[in-house]
Amino acid sequence: AQTVTQSQPEMSVQEAETVTLSCTYDTSESDYYLFWYKQPPSRQMILVIRQEAYKQQNATENRFSVNFQKAAKSFSLKISDSQLGDAAMYFCAYRSGLLNYGGSQGNLIFGKGTKLSVKP
Amino acid sequence: NAGVTQTPKFQVLKTGQSMTLQCAQDMNHEYMSWYRQDPGMGLRLIHYSVGAGITDQGEVPNGYNVSRSTTEDFPLRLLSAAPSQTSVYFCASSWDRGRTGELFFGEGSRLTVL
Repeated sequence: AQTVTQSQPEMSVQEAETVTLSCTYDTSESDYYLFWYKQPPSRQMILVIRQEAYKQQNATENRFSVNFQKAAKSFSLKISDSQLGDAAMYFCAYRSGLLNYGGSQGNLIFGKGTKLSVKP
Repeated sequence: NAGVTQTPKFQVLKTGQSMTLQCAQDMNHEYMSWYRQDPGMGLRLIHYSVGAGITDQGEVPNGYNVSRSTTEDFPLRLLSAAPSQTSVYFCASSWDRGRTGELFFGEGSRLTVL
């Protein structure tokens, strides 16, 4: 079974600085997706960034980028120029790419989350 | 476009009471699921469905019941609420046959069982 581990329960960053959130995962599959979701105090789950395992290039979305190391099964999130609005829980998640219609592969497996604080 | 809609957003129950959390999506998604979120535990899958008439258990299914009679709706039933079911519940959906893999979430429902 696949697992996702976030080893940093809490992180803190100064406004305008850069912070990296860690995520490791375990799988025997070669085709999968990895995600970072943000959960602000409003509780809404917001997709930050997505990475397809078959793509060599690291995904980027404005100030957010990932360092995807497939062999090491590592998927870290880098937030540049941190803003007060970045303060939130961040969840790393895994989903199988082998979508067997009728099977469980569509399920998202989450890490336990990292709470990010941004200091003004 | 409403996306994924959950109701109610807040609910307080007494032990032993039953209730249904409603979830509806208007994106014609085949895949729907329910997660619960507890402090320090991340999100854990309760039940999921890959289409109308098809449901299956996730990681923490005990005490919950689901059905999927239409593509749009996926209600979660608590038959006899227990304090251990105090949690925040999320419904999520996706287009299972797509290549994006992304789940779309509702706004969550906070349930307190006294």
